[in-house]
Amino acid sequence: GDSVTQMEGPVTLSEEAFLTINCTYTATGYPSLFWYVQYPGEGLQLLLKATKADDKGSNKGFEATYRKETTSFHLEKGSVQVSDSAVYFCALSDLGGGNKLTFGTGTQLKVEL
Amino acid sequence: GAVVSQHPSWVICKSGTSVKIECRSLDFQATTMFWYRQFPKQSLMLMATSNEGSKATYEQGVEKDKFLINHASLTLSTLTVTSAHPEDSSFYICSARASGGDGAQYFGPGTRLLVL
Repeated sequence: GDSVTQMEGPVTLSEEAFLTINCTYTATGYPSLFWYVQYPGEGLQLLLKATKADDKGSNKGFEATYRKETTSFHLEKGSVQVSDSAVYFCALSDLGGGNKLTFGTGTQLKVEL
Repeated sequence: GAVVSQHPSWVICKSGTSVKIECRSLDFQATTMFWYRQFPKQSLMLMATSNEGSKATYEQGVEKDKFLINHASLTLSTLTVTSAHPEDSSFYICSARASGGDGAQYFGPGTRLLVL
C-alpha cells in the first residue's frame, strides 16, 4: 500500500537558518504530493503541491520538487522565521488508493530567535 | 479560495450525550468530504469518507453507529458523535475535495471535543 515517511522531529533552528524536511514515499501509481502545515490548535493548511514528476511546488518561500527517481518530496526554505514554527505533514494522493490522502507522521519545527 | 469551515470549534459535553459537528465548504462544491481524528502530537487518522448523496465509507475499526456521518449537500457534511464517552475526546478535523481536482484536500480548522 501507499506510505509516506518523514524525518522525525522536533527540528529546532535559529531564525534565518536553512530548512530541509525530508519526505519519501511509496505508491502503486503516480501520486500527487503535498505538504500541509498545522499551527498549534488549528486544522491543516495546504502549503504546496506537485502533481507530476519534476514539478516544483512553492509557496511562502517554501519549495519542494517531485523526484520520481528517488521517490522524494523534500521541503526546503532558505531562511526560516519564528512564525514558521508549526508541524509539517507530507502527504500523497493516489488514484489507486481512492484519492485518499496518506500522511506522514508530521515533523515539528521550532524556530528560535 | 477553497475555504472550509467547521462548527463548533470547541465543545464540552457530558458523557452519554450526542454532539453534532458541521463541516462546510464555503466557496466550492465538495463531492467528497473526509473526517479525521487527531490525537495529541500525532498524525491524522482517517475515520470516514463521505460522498454527497450516498452512505459514508468508514475505515476499519471506526464504529459507524457511533460516528454518524451525513453529506446531504455539496457544501455540508455533518459528524454526530452519539452517546459520547470520555475516550471520544479528541480533535476532529474535516476536509473537502473539489470535484475534478488534483486530489488536494482543504481542511477545516478542527473541532476540539471534551467529554466529561
